[in-house]
Amino acid sequence: SYVLTQPPSVSVAPGKTAKITCGGNNIVDKSVHWYQKRPGQAPMLVLLYDVDRPSGIPERFSGSNSGDTATLTISRVEAGDEADYYCQVWDGARDLPLFGGGTKLTVL
Amino acid sequence: QVHLVESGGGVVQPGRSLRLSCPASGFTFSNFALHWVRQAPGKGLESLALISYDGSTEAYADSVRGRFTISRDNSKNTLYLEMSSLRVEDTAMYYCAREKSQGEAFGVLEHWGQGVLVTVSS
Repeated sequence: SYVLTQPPSVSVAPGKTAKITCGGNNIVDKSVHWYQKRPGQAPMLVLLYDVDRPSGIPERFSGSNSGDTATLTISRVEAGDEADYYCQVWDGARDLPLFGGGTKLTVL
Repeated sequence: QVHLVESGGGVVQPGRSLRLSCPASGFTFSNFALHWVRQAPGKGLESLALISYDGSTEAYADSVRGRFTISRDNSKNTLYLEMSSLRVEDTAMYYCAREKSQGEAFGVLEHWGQGVLVTVSS
């Protein structure tokens, strides 16, 4: 079965750039979506189809997908960006979304 | 504005059943595929079930297949999750979510409810 691998944690200072990776076999062949999950809140879609931002998501959020790794990049990180981030692809074998294990972004 | 509001959670003993509801508003309910996703304490997001816009197709995670049933009533704009033979490991926050686009499901979950807590404990 397909597996998405994310680092458990990423730390970054305010104003710097955070990169959160999502590894999967030939993930470049899949569309990757990213969600932000703050404690006590519902998940929020922050990036879809590798690079597209939903309405209302700042341009500071961007993405890429190449080879075996998709990346969510958050530029000029703010304290409010501190959250868990999940990558997700469509699992065609199960006809369900498949989530990565999540990455906790800590703003130092 | 899209609204999804889960209800029906609570504390239940192992082996018992529970039904979650997710009434929706702000969009043409019958045009969108819908999902149930959960997050166990300290764990990540887990996709549980998907139902097509017209209710003709369902999909389930291995962890709940045969125990959980997703359904919808397009006349009441409501999504359901019938959970039976509940286990301690089913303890989680349960979210309903709507696909971004109408019609076929592509797995882009644009709108989410606030979640409802299910605790399975003796």
